[in-house]
Amino acid sequence: SQQGEEDPQALSIQEGENATMNCSYKTSINNLQWYRQNSGRGLVHLILIRSNEREKHSGRLRVTLDTSKKSSSLLITASRAADTASYFCAFGGADGLTFGKGTHLIIQP
Amino acid sequence: DTAVSQTPKYLVTQMGNDKSIKCEQNLGHDTMYWYKQDSKKFLKIMFSYNNKELIINETVPNRFSPKSPDKAHLNLHINSLELGDSAVYFCASSQGYRDAFFGPGTRLTVL
Repeated sequence: SQQGEEDPQALSIQEGENATMNCSYKTSINNLQWYRQNSGRGLVHLILIRSNEREKHSGRLRVTLDTSKKSSSLLITASRAADTASYFCAFGGADGLTFGKGTHLIIQP
Repeated sequence: DTAVSQTPKYLVTQMGNDKSIKCEQNLGHDTMYWYKQDSKKFLKIMFSYNNKELIINETVPNRFSPKSPDKAHLNLHINSLELGDSAVYFCASSQGYRDAFFGPGTRLTVL
């Protein structure tokens, strides 16, 4: 299976703390993307990192990619209550995106 | 303006029925997709459609069929609905194989 594995499955932290989620995959990829899904809503694209990139920033988000270890991490700094959601990594390919199982993040006020 | 829209948002129907979910994107993207999200939140691609080329996930039953009347639409038809088809179905679009824009989802419940 090309499906990714995300770790942890669930994470609960205090508002203001940093949240780190990890994603591992098995095959070679063109790019890796992170999406957020609020409860009962569709997915929202957060950030895309290409296979030849090692780190990318977008606001409070920082994504790293280690192709030798086939892993990526998403760091959300200074978390807010509104960051509570499920976060999915996804791998770009010719037949569409393959998603990981997701990390459910809860930010406690 | 809504980028990717789906109708209906909720669909409750009896086992054995045939139903359709519509999807439209106004982003000018050349690739559209259907994904299924099960009760455990696992997202699985069902179809991708690019320039009249359809790529089918081999695990999808042939009761499911996508129909694309034009580049902006990719509708999902489901025949002989089964209990296990209950899930949330997401339509998405992208330009090539880059970041995808998702619709709000259609929650299908088969009774």
